[in-house]
Amino acid sequence: QVHLVQSGAEVKKPGSSVKISCKASGDTSTNSAFSWVRQAPGQGLEWMGRIIPFGVSTYTRKFQDRVTITADEATSTVNLEVRGLTSEDTAIYFCTRGPLSYFTFDYWGQGTQVTVSS
Amino acid sequence: DIVMTQSPNSLAVSLGERATINCKASQNILSSSVNKNFLAWYQQRPGQPPKKLIYWASTRESGVPDRFSGSGSGTDFTLTINSLQAEDVAIYYCQQYFRTPLTFGGGTRVEIK
Repeated sequence: QVHLVQSGAEVKKPGSSVKISCKASGDTSTNSAFSWVRQAPGQGLEWMGRIIPFGVSTYTRKFQDRVTITADEATSTVNLEVRGLTSEDTAIYFCTRGPLSYFTFDYWGQGTQVTVSS
Repeated sequence: DIVMTQSPNSLAVSLGERATINCKASQNILSSSVNKNFLAWYQQRPGQPPKKLIYWASTRESGVPDRFSGSGSGTDFTLTINSLQAEDVAIYYCQQYFRTPLTFGGGTRVEIK
């Protein structure tokens, strides 16, 4: 079984950056992909990007200029950094893990609330 | 990008009755090379993260009750909940993983009538 524990809620000013961490425990096999999915208030799910073994990251066009996903295999931690925050980035951010061979989201973290407000 | 369109947006079903949720992909998501539909369904209960229910359009995840079933192929898919239980109150999302960017449907809220 895999357990993903994310860092706590953040309140940020417009224009600033936020970094969220996600620590995996249980089966920490490297044969998996970690993704970040966000959910704006009352809205649906939006995939932001993923990281696979050897630190190869892929982002959606919407986020590729201001999002970075990194992984620290030694600590089984995946990080998401979002720069240039606006009020539209207010959302719950979920860390997920899934297989490498096909990209479903099998395990989810508890979510991290990010609020962007002046 | 592959757009996933779900219908209805919400539905109310009596306990013990059937709920049917539809999901339509803007492009074919059936791989002819492996003969699999790259479609998953998730359940999100209030205040919880989503949970994967079904993948490959019709394969139930381990531990998912058999009242949940998925069907369809190509561009049109259905999630059926037979004999709705109180714990099934949730929002259900479809997701395609045929091509990046990975995309979700807008969600269908299921409530008890």
